[in-house]
Amino acid sequence: EVQLVQSGAEVKKPGESLKISCKGSGYSFTNYWIGWVRQMPGKGLEWMGIIYPSDSDTRYSPSFQGQVTISADKSISTAYLQWSSLKASDTAMYYCARQERGPWFDYWGQGTLVTVSS
Amino acid sequence: EIVLTQSPGTLSLSPGERATLSCRASQSVSRSYLAWYQQKPGQAPRLLIYGASSRATGIPDRFSGSGSGTDFTLTISRLEPEDFALYYCQQYGNSPMYSFGQGTKLEIK
Repeated sequence: EVQLVQSGAEVKKPGESLKISCKGSGYSFTNYWIGWVRQMPGKGLEWMGIIYPSDSDTRYSPSFQGQVTISADKSISTAYLQWSSLKASDTAMYYCARQERGPWFDYWGQGTLVTVSS
Repeated sequence: EIVLTQSPGTLSLSPGERATLSCRASQSVSRSYLAWYQQKPGQAPRLLIYGASSRATGIPDRFSGSGSGTDFTLTISRLEPEDFALYYCQQYGNSPMYSFGQGTKLEIK
């Protein structure tokens, strides 16, 4: 069974760093792109970026380029999303999702809620 | 940048009725690159339709997708209580690689 399991909810202060994770199982992790999607409270879905774990080829949305870093460790089938300096506006639910053979996302993680507050 | 505009913002219908949700793109989108998702409160999105008209695994046949170019439609032929949720369209193209519509909320009348 394909599963993407994300790390737990985080509460951070502005200026702090954070790295959240997404562990894939039940399929060949290196053969599928993993994307990250933001959903701010009460808002819609925003695509942030995507990584191919086999070679770490990474693409970012212009809206998130330079704001976050996406990485992956194929040895443990895990993708990451990280911030070096969080802002209150980073408060959101973050989902990882597997890109299927075509450009759509067929499996999603359960989401990681990030709350940034002083 | 391709912008997806979904309409209506909210659709109020009763169980058993037919729902028609629209997704309009600011530029032509390949049929192969248009997908629809359903999201229920507190849950991650779920893939419903890919390639504009192909149902994802396990999706009931009351869900169907159609359209081409700049106009795409998600139709739910006969609404079940569990179908009341948020629906998003998504396209793949140039920068950004992916974008989503703002969503349509399907609520019980």
